[in-house]
Amino acid sequence: GENVEQHPSTLSVQEGDSAVIKCTYSDSASNYFPWYKQELGKRPQLIIDIRSNVGEKKDQRIAVTLNKTAKHFSLHITETQPEDSAVYFCADGRGSTLGRLYFGRGTQLTVWP
Amino acid sequence: DAGVTQSPTHLIKTRGQQVTLRCSPISGHKSVSWYQQVLGQGPQFIFQYYEKEERGRGNFPDRFSARQFPNYSSELNVNALLLGDSALYLCASSLGTANEQFFGPGTRLTVL
Repeated sequence: GENVEQHPSTLSVQEGDSAVIKCTYSDSASNYFPWYKQELGKRPQLIIDIRSNVGEKKDQRIAVTLNKTAKHFSLHITETQPEDSAVYFCADGRGSTLGRLYFGRGTQLTVWP
Repeated sequence: DAGVTQSPTHLIKTRGQQVTLRCSPISGHKSVSWYQQVLGQGPQFIFQYYEKEERGRGNFPDRFSARQFPNYSSELNVNALLLGDSALYLCASSLGTANEQFFGPGTRLTVL
């Protein structure tokens, strides 16, 4: 199908621990992989993205890794804080245009203080 | 700098009615995409417009249509509303078709 497989659907961690969310895509032509954070009742916000010519990208406590051979990519959040609690979505920007994003079903991350 | 704006914020309609949702992209952005987000799921791609032309369409029936105006704002129209059309409708803008997308706050549509 068009959707991206995302796991886990829920994730609970203690403050300060790391959180990892994984996504798998199917189209080898996919070349852009953004991650969005959506707090309850708010818009999805782009937190980090990676393009297919890069294997890893970091931005402070957040990192994304991409394995093109296995067709999967992961979001890593270190030193989690309660304000990291939200739903995280991975997406697959397919083919020659990034105008179409195909999203995973989301991961509800809860960080306990 | 204003972000992506959408109107209205909330809307309640009955089955069979028609609805028009509006989106204003970030200044300078020429591409607008529309997504439907049903509760508990990720956004589903509906349309992409770039330079006033449709560049892509997702797996949605012909009851869904859209257009983009010369100022790059966009409208999404849904005819003959069904209960299953109840969702958050998100608009996202980007500089071009190959750039990062930034979402608006969405329009919450409830069909009774």
